[in-house]
Amino acid sequence: DAGITQSPRHKVTETGTPVTLRCHQTENHRYMYWYRQDPGHGLRLIHYSYGVKDTDKGEVSDGYSVSRSKTEDFLLTLESATSSQTSVYFCAISAFTSGFTDTQYFGPGTRLTVL
Amino acid sequence: AQTVTQSQPEMSVQEAETVTLSCTYDTSESDYYLFWYKQPPSRQMILVIRQEAYKQQNATENRFSVNFQKAAKSFSLKISDSQLGDAAMYFCAYNRGKLIFGQGTELSVKP
Repeated sequence: DAGITQSPRHKVTETGTPVTLRCHQTENHRYMYWYRQDPGHGLRLIHYSYGVKDTDKGEVSDGYSVSRSKTEDFLLTLESATSSQTSVYFCAISAFTSGFTDTQYFGPGTRLTVL
Repeated sequence: AQTVTQSQPEMSVQEAETVTLSCTYDTSESDYYLFWYKQPPSRQMILVIRQEAYKQQNATENRFSVNFQKAAKSFSLKISDSQLGDAAMYFCAYNRGKLIFGQGTELSVKP
């Protein structure tokens, strides 16, 4: 199994509070991703990183920011949580081979509830 | 734009039997990867099998195998000797720099 951990695994918070989710990898992979999974929408990409301090937006980036100060850590921040951000959040990692990214391996997920 | 379609929202199989999950995709690229991921009730996304588009040989992993038809843009997953632990949501996915998922097929296994 790929060495990916997410913390916290569960969190309940209130509307308007800041929340930070952490993804940690031990594989030294270049690429890291944050997805959210909601019923009827499958997995949707929020942000991704292609190196330390190199990040870019995905398809549902509004209301989220990310940071990557070390290869092994990728943080997802909800500056002011809203109920629409209640979801399950997955981190993923991948290597870069043959001109584009290879297999993505996923962390265990974080269930976030915003009341 | 690339798309991935899983036309079977739900499937059911008897324990020890074989089941095939369907997936089609649309792309103009010739080099890419295809995957099947399994998501059990624990919600962990588990890689089941990986296929490189430039390889004609179908990938296999123990009881799991694929039928990759590049010209038809079809990528089905066959699960042989189904077990109760195979019950899960299965996602087909396409990757050429961006991972694109199908909507999933919910597989139930009857004892």
